[in-house]
Amino acid sequence: EVQLVQSGAEVKKPGESLKISCKASGYSFTNNWIGWVRQIPGKGLEWMGIIQPGDSQTRYSPSFQGQVTISADKSISTAYLQWSSLKASDTAMYYCARDGSGSYYTPNWFDPWGQGTLVTVSS
Amino acid sequence: QSALTQPRSVSGSPGQSVTISCTGTSSDIGGYNYVSWYQQHPGKAPKLMIIDVSKRPSGVPDRFSGSKSGNTASLTISGLQAEDEADYYCSSYAGSPWVFGGGTKLTVL
Repeated sequence: EVQLVQSGAEVKKPGESLKISCKASGYSFTNNWIGWVRQIPGKGLEWMGIIQPGDSQTRYSPSFQGQVTISADKSISTAYLQWSSLKASDTAMYYCARDGSGSYYTPNWFDPWGQGTLVTVSS
Repeated sequence: QSALTQPRSVSGSPGQSVTISCTGTSSDIGGYNYVSWYQQHPGKAPKLMIIDVSKRPSGVPDRFSGSKSGNTASLTISGLQAEDEADYYCSSYAGSPWVFGGGTKLTVL
């Protein structure tokens, strides 16, 4: 069974750094892109970016370019999303999701999704 | 990249059909046959319902169907059931990155 398991909820202060994880199992980790999606409480889904774990190629949505870093460690089948300096506006649920199309050039549908990691940033 | 436009809410009675629209541009929906739809129940992760405009992944009931005309994609749910009450999001490939719709809340009356 293909599964993505995310790290637990985090409570941080503004200005702190954070790295959350998404561990994949049940398939060859380097075959499929993995994306990250933000959901602010009570709001909709927003694509943040995506990584191809095989060669670490990344693509960011313009709104998140320079705001976060997406990485992956293929030796442990884990993708990461990190911030160097958190803001209160980063408070949200963050989901990882695997591209199910298997396409290297046009990953375009995502399944399964991780259970989500709630990040709360408050002084 | 602007979000795709969805109605904020739709509703229907059990057994009826509802259609949720998703309007984009020639740079996203109109330019690619890579529209997908996701269902999200409160407090849960999104679940994939439709891929490639109109294909149903394994396990998705055939009550769910998708289509596209020009820059607008649609999700139709026929034979509404109580468990269909959820938020629905469309998504389209947009030449990297991707873009979501704002979401539609489906209420089963």
